[in-house]
Amino acid sequence: ETGVTQSPTHLIKTRGQQVTLRCSSQSGHNTVSWYQQALGQGPQFIFQYYREEENGRGNFPPRFSGLQFPNYSSELNVNALELDDSALYLCASSRAGGLPDTQYFGPGTRLTVL
Amino acid sequence: KQEVTQIPAALSVPEGENLVLNCSFTDSAIYNLQWFRQDPGKGLTSLLLIQSSQREQTSGRLNASLDKSSGRSTLYIAASQPGDSATYLCAVRDFGNEKLTFGTGTRLTIIP
Repeated sequence: ETGVTQSPTHLIKTRGQQVTLRCSSQSGHNTVSWYQQALGQGPQFIFQYYREEENGRGNFPPRFSGLQFPNYSSELNVNALELDDSALYLCASSRAGGLPDTQYFGPGTRLTVL
Repeated sequence: KQEVTQIPAALSVPEGENLVLNCSFTDSAIYNLQWFRQDPGKGLTSLLLIQSSQREQTSGRLNASLDKSSGRSTLYIAASQPGDSATYLCAVRDFGNEKLTFGTGTRLTIIP
């Protein structure tokens, strides 16, 4: 059973640029959630994807968008980057309808916006 | 709106001591509560998950309890070791909601 993987591990962008982060879910999991964790804070929910459709969204603007693919991997896209977007971006996978529905997190992508 | 609070923000204890980390939440209509460990700059490792119908879960030296009526959970760590040093986060999932709401964590340091 493979764990959740994310790429890249680190990324540096400048204001106004666009970025795509990738996540491969754990084997057997069909749901992917994305979280943003600013330094010293707890993770904040961005959105969740289930069966390739958005299934819940947190308080993030539309410039944060995502995709889920048939193999349950996922992408997070952020347009028009702002300095405050600098954070650790975490994805988590889980198996909807199964118990326990523990969410398993990847190692994260550290995004720095200059 | 669910809010999760963890106190204290930081804790240092000598190796070998037993310790308790606290988590409180404002809305008791939760589906489950999960405790995570996070090492500096790393992702989250799930430690224990308690369903709303359960009162506690145990794994090795860790025991987590849940009291929904008072909006509290505790994580008990027995016989602490330097390797337990990390930030511990609790997160709740509400009924009818897919997201986890996290606290800001307790940074634990075990002194050898």
